[in-house]
Amino acid sequence: SFEVRQPPSVSVSPGQTARITCSGKAFPKQYAYWYQQKPGQAPLLVIYKDTQRPSGIPERFSGSTSGTTVTLTISEVQAEDEADYYCQSTDSLGTYVIFGGGTKLTVL
Amino acid sequence: QVQLQESGPGLVKPSETLSLTCTVSGGSISTYYWSWIRQPPGKGLEWVGYFYYTGSTKYNPSLKSRVTISVGTSKNQFSLKLTSVTAADTAVYYCAKGVGSSWYYFDSWGQGTLVTVSS
Repeated sequence: SFEVRQPPSVSVSPGQTARITCSGKAFPKQYAYWYQQKPGQAPLLVIYKDTQRPSGIPERFSGSTSGTTVTLTISEVQAEDEADYYCQSTDSLGTYVIFGGGTKLTVL
Repeated sequence: QVQLQESGPGLVKPSETLSLTCTVSGGSISTYYWSWIRQPPGKGLEWVGYFYYTGSTKYNPSLKSRVTISVGTSKNQFSLKLTSVTAADTAVYYCAKGVGSSWYYFDSWGQGTLVTVSS
């Protein structure tokens, strides 16, 4: 079982908004981080510290938090956004890294 | 731009020790925290542990009894050793760099290396 939980899959049509949630008791005490992973590639950090976007990541990617749930929002989804997305944090004491099980985003 | 490259045997026998090396280029190993993260085929990511150049380490509690992460044999390398492996340890193993002074999130990753545990 995972200490942070994500839906296994989310589907959205091009141009629509995709929302991927992640819930766990580590939140809101610990920050959330989001990674995008395309087939055969290493993960790519797309959101850090709940809401911050690394340089080079499109503004379409944003993060938010509400209580024990954090959300990755991808606006105006494009075909290239189809990937697995992983939520990451630390345990509630901040002693080790935890990942969610991943969410497969399908662009219809 | 820091780059990382994993290397090591792609096949390990059950009960033996898995050994991998990560070579860092474009940056000093004495500047950041360095982690190993693995991903079984078709499954999610699992943090294995981190190494800091001072010798400080921290491991995933589920693997702690079998894992050692340490400085490598050559400059700007660090290594992973996982003992008593089973088929459940079959995975793509990534090395990754912590962001700034943080050990708990990662902005540079190696391409990953698949290690299969099989006789």
